[in-house]
Amino acid sequence: DGGITQSPKYLFRKEGQNVTLSCEQNLNHDAMYWYRQDPGQGLRLIYYSQIVNDFQKGDIAEGYSVSREKKESFPLTVTSAQKNPTAFYLCASNRAGGLNSGANVLTFGAGSRLTVL
Amino acid sequence: ELKVEQNPLFLSMQEGKNYTIYCNYSTTSDRLYWYRQDPGKSLESLFVLLSNGAVKQEGRLMASLDTKARLSTLHITAAVHDLSATYFCAVDRWGNKLVFGAGTILRVKS
Repeated sequence: DGGITQSPKYLFRKEGQNVTLSCEQNLNHDAMYWYRQDPGQGLRLIYYSQIVNDFQKGDIAEGYSVSREKKESFPLTVTSAQKNPTAFYLCASNRAGGLNSGANVLTFGAGSRLTVL
Repeated sequence: ELKVEQNPLFLSMQEGKNYTIYCNYSTTSDRLYWYRQDPGKSLESLFVLLSNGAVKQEGRLMASLDTKARLSTLHITAAVHDLSATYFCAVDRWGNKLVFGAGTILRVKS
């Protein structure tokens, strides 16, 4: 079955550590996205990528980094510069052209919950 | 800056009752999405509304879009416990980005 796989599901980080969240999709989607979800808030866009080897900052990119070396993969690194990283992180994808190409509904992964100790 | 506001943020209702969730947005857009999220789970697409006056229905849920009023509604008819979840609306923003509302937590009590 096609879908998005995020790992790990739960992750604990000590202060000062970088951690990387994995996102892999087998939907043949060109565009991929990372969102952060905090209790009582909507999803906020961290980074997105429309094609391989290209990505753009979203609304809350500070303290995060990404890469897009393969179409299927869009890992997110939460760096020590992110002062409040405890959150639920969701990866999503959609077809070529992203959200401007008609009704390109996002498909989401199951999420990764990061907790800072 | 596009802002998306949902209300109510929390809704507790009895089984069998009807209710409406509202989604207001601040700038022009012709594309609005509704998603459902179960606790600790991912988001699942419910409806895509692509034009003014669009109405979509699935089971006990019906969504509509009024682009002139910048308003979408999600109407729940004869609620059942299985509808308990968090519901998000999201609006397209120029630049290939969705802006999400804060979500409405729905609890249906038997």
